Order: sequence, then C-alpha cells, then structure tokens
Amino acid sequence: GAGVSQSPRYKVAKRGQDVALRCDPISGHVSLFWYQQALGQGPEFLTYFQNEAQLDKSGLPSDRFFAERPEGSVSTLKIQRTQQEDSAVYLCASRPREGSDTIYFGEGSWLTVV
Amino acid sequence: GENVEQHPSTLSVQEGDSAVIKCTYSDSASNYFPWYKQELGKRPQLIIDIRSNVGEKKDQRIAVTLNKTAKHFSLHITETQPEDSAVYFCAASTVTGGGNKLTFGTGTQLKVEL
Repeated sequence: GAGVSQSPRYKVAKRGQDVALRCDPISGHVSLFWYQQALGQGPEFLTYFQNEAQLDKSGLPSDRFFAERPEGSVSTLKIQRTQQEDSAVYLCASRPREGSDTIYFGEGSWLTVV
Repeated sequence: GENVEQHPSTLSVQEGDSAVIKCTYSDSASNYFPWYKQELGKRPQLIIDIRSNVGEKKDQRIAVTLNKTAKHFSLHITETQPEDSAVYFCAASTVTGGGNKLTFGTGTQLKVEL
C-alpha cells in the first residue's frame, strides 16, 4: 500500500476485555515500531521489530501488553485485561532498512476503555 | 535513557509572522533530530530533520538548527500561514541494541491567527 495502515481506527473496549490492534507496514520495510500517544502528549515508544525479531520491548508498560510480527510484515499489538489508563492512540511506524533514519507513521488506532 | 524537553507548549502568532519552537535533549549520543507535524486526528508527518553532523538545514519556509554542544535544536517557521496551525513534535534518535529509537517532546500547539 501507499502508507502504513492500521486497524481498527477506533475501538471501544470494556474494562477487562482483550483487544488486538493490527499494523500493515509499508511493503518491504524492515523495521516496525509501536508507539502509545496519550491525549495531549507526544508518542512514547513501546516496542521495535527488525523483520520478525522483537529487538526492543523496553517501553511496554506491563505484561498485559504483547506484540508480535511472526512473518516480518504485519504486526499485532495485543492488550489483555484492558484498563482505563490504556486509553490512548496506538501508532505504528515503519522504516525501510537499518541505517535509514526516517520512520513513517500510520494514522493510529484510537482505543477507549470504558 | 534519552529525555527531550520542548517549549513552548502553546504558541500563537499572527499570519505572516515567524514561529520558533525549541527542544533540548539529554543523551549526547543522539544523532538524528526530526520534527513532526500532527493535525488533529491525523498521523504525525515528518516535516524536516537534521543529523548531528550538520548545524542548520532549510526547506522553503522551514528551518532547523542544531547546537550539539548545548544539546539544543530549534524549528523555525517563517511567513506563517493558517494551514501551519497544528501540533509540532521534536524528537531525538538514540541508537539502542536493536536500532534507532525516537524519543519525542511533549509537543507545541501552534495557532496561526488571521
């Protein structure tokens, strides 16, 4: 596709539900990032993949958050037993290759936990 | 880890005036500094970036300056237009074991008034 695609765009979950957020990076991009953006704040790093390998997950806030990219393209961010503080926009971004700096963001998945 | 501070948090200018947004970073190893523009409900879009081996870069009405010694970098927008109204984020890239990771500032809400 032309850009990073994320789905769903909007998700309302009841507290305690599990959610799964999908990211389709730009075709051929090696690196994939997940960021969390709370209202009125800058994006905060969650995790990073190079192809299928998750090389950095230092930003995941708890063990309720899990991300995977099994075939090195599409990635899924899963949040178990959602809580109100999980409400945020979850941004996916991709980068063509190691050694290039520019990353390209998707439109984000807006999660509201009620 | 890296810490990026950004100010002001809000900036209101008259159309045609200049706008300046300033950021500081803490990690002297950071070597890439992008600026993103984010309109409400949209993805962050890269507007300009600078690497640590360059002191200044300009692209039409937008310029960025970098002072590595002081760990400061700034965004300058000249001849502002109403369509420049948005939230602007600075970021600094730090090399981790798995690749470059962007740390964002908290954002500046720019309003260009007619």
